[in-house]
Amino acid sequence: GAGVSQTPSNKVTEKGKYVELRCDPISGHTALYWYRQSLGQGPEFLIYFQGTGAADDSGLPNDRFFAVRPEGSVSTLKIQRTERGDSAVYLCASSLTGGYNEKLFFGSGTQLSVL
Amino acid sequence: DQQVKQNSPSLSVQEGRISILNCDYTNSMFDYFLWYKKYPAEGPTFLISISSIKDKNEDGRFTVFLNKSAKHLSLHIVPSQPGDSAVYFCAASSRAQKLVFGQGTRLTINP
Repeated sequence: GAGVSQTPSNKVTEKGKYVELRCDPISGHTALYWYRQSLGQGPEFLIYFQGTGAADDSGLPNDRFFAVRPEGSVSTLKIQRTERGDSAVYLCASSLTGGYNEKLFFGSGTQLSVL
Repeated sequence: DQQVKQNSPSLSVQEGRISILNCDYTNSMFDYFLWYKKYPAEGPTFLISISSIKDKNEDGRFTVFLNKSAKHLSLHIVPSQPGDSAVYFCAASSRAQKLVFGQGTRLTINP
């Protein structure tokens, strides 16, 4: 596609529920990133995929968070047993090869609200 | 531990004047720096970048300056226009670390 697409744009859920957030990167981009932005903060790194594999998941806050990219394109961020503190904007980004000096292209994000 | 800091949460500038946004970093291994601009309900969009081998990079009305000894970079916008009103994020990366963002500065350009 023309840009990074994220669905849904908004997700409201109850504490304890499971959610899945989807990201469709720019066609041809091998690198995919998930970031989380809390209110008044900058985006914080969660996980980075190179192709199908998670090359760096050091930013995932705990084992309730998991992400997959089974075919090297679309990625899903999965959050189990959601907590109110998980409320944030979840941003997905992609880049051509994943080089450290490449710019990232971001989607519009998914606003997650945990009630 | 905030590795990239933007100490001014907000900045207000008159249209036509220069806007200067500042950013400090603590990790001396960072060697690639970017500025992103964000409008409400949109994702950050890339504005300009600079590699650590340079101290200045210009693109139209936007110039980024890097002072490695002070671990400081700044973004200059001149002349400022109403469409420049947005939140600006400074970010840095290295071979060992993916992009790290500052907290952002909300720039308001007044007519």
